[in-house]
Amino acid sequence: DSGVTQTPKHLITATGQRVTLRCSPRSGDLSVYWYQQSLDQGLQFLIQYYNGEERAKGNILERFSAQQFPDLHSELNLSSLELGDSALYFCASSVAQGGSPLHFGNGTRLTVT
Amino acid sequence: QQQVKQSPQSLIVQKGGISIINCAYENTAFDYFPWYQQFPGKGPALLIAIRPDVSEKKEGRFTISFNKSAKQFSLHIMDSQPGDSATYFCAANYGQNFVFGPGTRLSVLP
Repeated sequence: DSGVTQTPKHLITATGQRVTLRCSPRSGDLSVYWYQQSLDQGLQFLIQYYNGEERAKGNILERFSAQQFPDLHSELNLSSLELGDSALYFCASSVAQGGSPLHFGNGTRLTVT
Repeated sequence: QQQVKQSPQSLIVQKGGISIINCAYENTAFDYFPWYQQFPGKGPALLIAIRPDVSEKKEGRFTISFNKSAKQFSLHIMDSQPGDSATYFCAANYGQNFVFGPGTRLSVLP
């Protein structure tokens, strides 16, 4: 168990809808990363927060947004969903901003129908 | 410069054999190199990691070899077991930047 909690585990929704994925980092970890993994694909970096502030952005679509709250949990909001957004979404946390490992949750599997 | 190349894409090894996965990077700013193991339906889990001041690190059956001058590092799995069948990702890090390789799907035949 990595100590990173992601909810929900599964999400099925229709095109055009909006969903929110939630991540609780490991106790003491200040940094949260979001990744997208499509079927049999690698890990695509979306966005990173450190202690409530956005610090890095990857290939995140404008329809997607995220935030990290004062209690350090993070939410990833996906709107105007398309079929191609179906994927596993992982959250990872780290104690610092580098030089220490990322600890991944077990992901949220999003299916857009 | 931010890419990490990983090979092979897939690997089939007999039980008891040695599995070798190779990675290469360009950006010399990278200073932390972890390997992750991912089982289907699960998140990647940290397996072993190395910093560029050492050339080798061993933990049980898993060994990282690091060649700073060649900007390459590799994962060796000794005495491979069917339970090692998973996808393996190498990664390179500096600051908040984590760059992952595309992954290697390992199958260990019983």
